[in-house]
Amino acid sequence: KQEVTQIPAALSVPEGENLVLNCSFTDSAIYNLQWFRQDPGKGLTSLLLIQSSQREQTSGRLNASLDKSSGRSTLYIAASQPGDSATYLCAVQAGGTSYGKLTFGQGTILTVHP
Amino acid sequence: DTGVSQDPRHKITKRGQNVTFRCDPISEHNRLYWYRQTLGQGPEFLTYFQNEAQLEKSRLLSDRFSAERPKGSFSTLEIQRTEQGDSAMYLCASSLGLAGELFFGEGSRLTVL
Repeated sequence: KQEVTQIPAALSVPEGENLVLNCSFTDSAIYNLQWFRQDPGKGLTSLLLIQSSQREQTSGRLNASLDKSSGRSTLYIAASQPGDSATYLCAVQAGGTSYGKLTFGQGTILTVHP
Repeated sequence: DTGVSQDPRHKITKRGQNVTFRCDPISEHNRLYWYRQTLGQGPEFLTYFQNEAQLEKSRLLSDRFSAERPKGSFSTLEIQRTEQGDSAMYLCASSLGLAGELFFGEGSRLTVL
């Protein structure tokens, strides 16, 4: 059974800092890994999708890396802003007989102080 | 409409009542997913469809839960005889093809009194 763990559970930083969110998963047979952002009481917004054959993806101030063999991904946020405050969720899309299904971590709650 | 839409956004009901949620996916997406999220947790997979076929159901989906996707377009998730433990956010997502990026709706929040 796939398990996804995110560290840290919560993070509070001053504006302008660069930061790293970590995600680990137990079964390396994945099709892809996706990072999401969730604001309180809202749905999920897709940030980055990394296919299993890729090592990283970038979008603006965000960079996500994937090391499939070790079961790890990191989300790097450069020059953090108060508007980045949200919960960040990592999810892996299963391969094998359960292809398509996403398994989520519990998220990292990020607070960026002005 | 360029996104996934869900209706209603909020539903308050009494224990024992039936509720139904609707999801309209992005029009060209052939895969549709339902997830449930409780406070402080990541979303948990419930079920998914490829076109009109329901391909997988989680053990979380008891016999009180049923989902349909007639004609491979919108989907409904019905909960019969609701219990307080059903209180959660019900999220719908859609994607195109195998390993496609998932796009989520804003969710339907259920409160069972």
